[in-house]
Amino acid sequence: QVQLVESGGGVVQPGRSLRLSCAASGFTFSGSAMHWVRQAPGKGLEWVAVISYENNQYYADSVKGRFTISRDNSKKTLFLQMNNLRAEDTAVYYCAKDLDKYGDSYLDYWGQGTLVIVSS
Amino acid sequence: DIQMTQSPSTLSASVGDRVTITCRASESIGPWVAWYQQKPGKAPKLVIHTASSLQGAVPSRFSGSGSGTEFTLTINSLQPDDFATYFCQQYKSYPWTFGQGTKVDIK
Repeated sequence: QVQLVESGGGVVQPGRSLRLSCAASGFTFSGSAMHWVRQAPGKGLEWVAVISYENNQYYADSVKGRFTISRDNSKKTLFLQMNNLRAEDTAVYYCAKDLDKYGDSYLDYWGQGTLVIVSS
Repeated sequence: DIQMTQSPSTLSASVGDRVTITCRASESIGPWVAWYQQKPGKAPKLVIHTASSLQGAVPSRFSGSGSGTEFTLTINSLQPDDFATYFCQQYKSYPWTFGQGTKVDIK
């Protein structure tokens, strides 16, 4: 069965960096687009970034230039490099699988999330 | 960016009730809407995709409709397991956007 397991969250000071990982299993990772979606405490869902099976990437304006999505197909792992973190980046970060390899479809599986807290 | 306006923000209902949640898009997005269910402390779970297609093992009491700018999620005969927060999401174009969410709680 499809499993997505995020890791790498924690408490970090403003301006610092953090890298999240998402280990995938149960499907053909290299043939799937993958996303990061976040949820601030008590708030709604915010789409963050997508990477297609051929490494095309799109970002939300709120993270563009600071966050980088990448993937290692040999390790079936998705990454989110977060630089110059701000207090407003505090959220649970979910990785999610796109039904489609280009990233043009919906999110059919989600991980359990990893919490990032940006605070001094 | 496409705005998704969801209503109501909270809905109080009883077991057995029929509930309807609405999502309006700021521009036409065809059928490219998904609905997700989220319970406290858990990841969202896909319920409906392509406006009206039921996902996998989701019970048939859930249904979706709409196209263009107006979409609805309906739950017939609400069950205890259905009390949760529901989000709509458009995947017509990037950046993908979600509605603000509708919390369905017990009356």
